[in-house]
Amino acid sequence: GQNIDQPTEMTATEGAIVQINCTYQTSGFNGLFWYQQHAGEAPTFLSYNVLDGLEEKGRFSSFLSRSKGYSYLLLKELQMKDSASYLCAVVDWGYQKVTFGTGTKLQVIP
Amino acid sequence: DTAVSQTPKYLVTQMGNDKSIKCEQNLGHDTMYWYKQDSKKFLKIMFSYNNKELIINETVPNRFSPKSPDKAHLNLHINSLELGDSAVYFCASSPKKRTASYEQYFGPGTRLTVT
Repeated sequence: GQNIDQPTEMTATEGAIVQINCTYQTSGFNGLFWYQQHAGEAPTFLSYNVLDGLEEKGRFSSFLSRSKGYSYLLLKELQMKDSASYLCAVVDWGYQKVTFGTGTKLQVIP
Repeated sequence: DTAVSQTPKYLVTQMGNDKSIKCEQNLGHDTMYWYKQDSKKFLKIMFSYNNKELIINETVPNRFSPKSPDKAHLNLHINSLELGDSAVYFCASSPKKRTASYEQYFGPGTRLTVT
């Protein structure tokens, strides 16, 4: 089975740094995605981690520890437009399966 | 220019009806998916389809059936609609699995309301 946990909501201040955590317990694992979803819109890809460590891409970074079943998304220099839901998803290519967590709704305040 | 398109964007229908949602991708991707996002925003995979190999999430009722006329299209047909089917349905596509290029591109979604 697949179990993916994320905090439901977070609030952070414009210009600050926020870390969104994701823990998973899955029967198969080939990688972990992070997606951003603004209200009423489709999810858009942010990052994909296969190996342990930190992957940096502009203001966004994603970290993975496979032994701990843990990932986080780090958002720096927060902007108001970063207010959105952030979805963690585990992929098991053996079953062509992508399992999403329930998402973390981030609110950025002035 | 749209990478993954879905029609219709909104669909309102009565219980018991049969409806279809169409999805097309012009990215040349090999795998297509259907997701359901409920009112709590939980995104759940329903089907994945890769080179005529269909993988079904075991929790999906058999009233739901994907149909792929060709590699660029994966339509979703729903029979005997129920109130609980009300949700946003997203189509997505991705390149071949197990390659470095893996990200999924989502369509804009179809908001289905069953009354």
